[in-house]
Amino acid sequence: DAKTTQPNSMESNEEEPVHLPCNHSTISGTDYIHWYRQLPSQGPEYVIHGLTSNVNNRMASLAIAEDRKSSTLILHRATLRDAAVYYCILRDLEGNAGNMLTFGGGTRLMVKP
Amino acid sequence: DTGVSQNPRHKITKRGQNVTFRCDPISEHNRLYWYRQTLGQGPEFLTYFQNEAQLEKSRLLSDRFSAERPKGSFSTLEIQRTEQGDSAMYLCASSSPWPPLPREDQFFGPGTRLTVL
Repeated sequence: DAKTTQPNSMESNEEEPVHLPCNHSTISGTDYIHWYRQLPSQGPEYVIHGLTSNVNNRMASLAIAEDRKSSTLILHRATLRDAAVYYCILRDLEGNAGNMLTFGGGTRLMVKP
Repeated sequence: DTGVSQNPRHKITKRGQNVTFRCDPISEHNRLYWYRQTLGQGPEFLTYFQNEAQLEKSRLLSDRFSAERPKGSFSTLEIQRTEQGDSAMYLCASSSPWPPLPREDQFFGPGTRLTVL
């Protein structure tokens, strides 16, 4: 399985943008890039996903490098409620192997008031 | 609340005892997943059902673990002869394949925290 590398932790100030990086140098052509986050004492929740083009939704933006070997999750204005562990996950959804999520260690985001 | 629910939320048991957890997925979702998460780690996949069929099992799912989804709705995860190493959060998730792919988010429940003494 293609692996992802993320910093263990990052810190941000409230109401400032946050850029969470993810390296996935062994990504294959059929791997989609997914981001999930896990708030304290909760199960993970879906944030965003993309294949090649940058993506925006109400929660965040996903910027994907042209060679697809890295991506960045962007929270435009961090709030205290965004403090969570953020997971970058590759999913090959064109085969059965894409049904499971393979989580790494993720990045623990701390937001300071 | 129409999300994924799990019961119980917490379970404390003695080593050697059997435990069973229940997961109720989102009603229209035909796929159901079990994951295990230990402290400080990301969740690890255990097994996956499509309707009532168990289609994938991880190597982590030893013979002491068994999962069922008898009518394609709720699922149970049983651990027999629990060991201290089984202490973890057990997470359930469900999804429904929406066309076009790959819009298939997994929705997670709050988990069952197991402590084996």
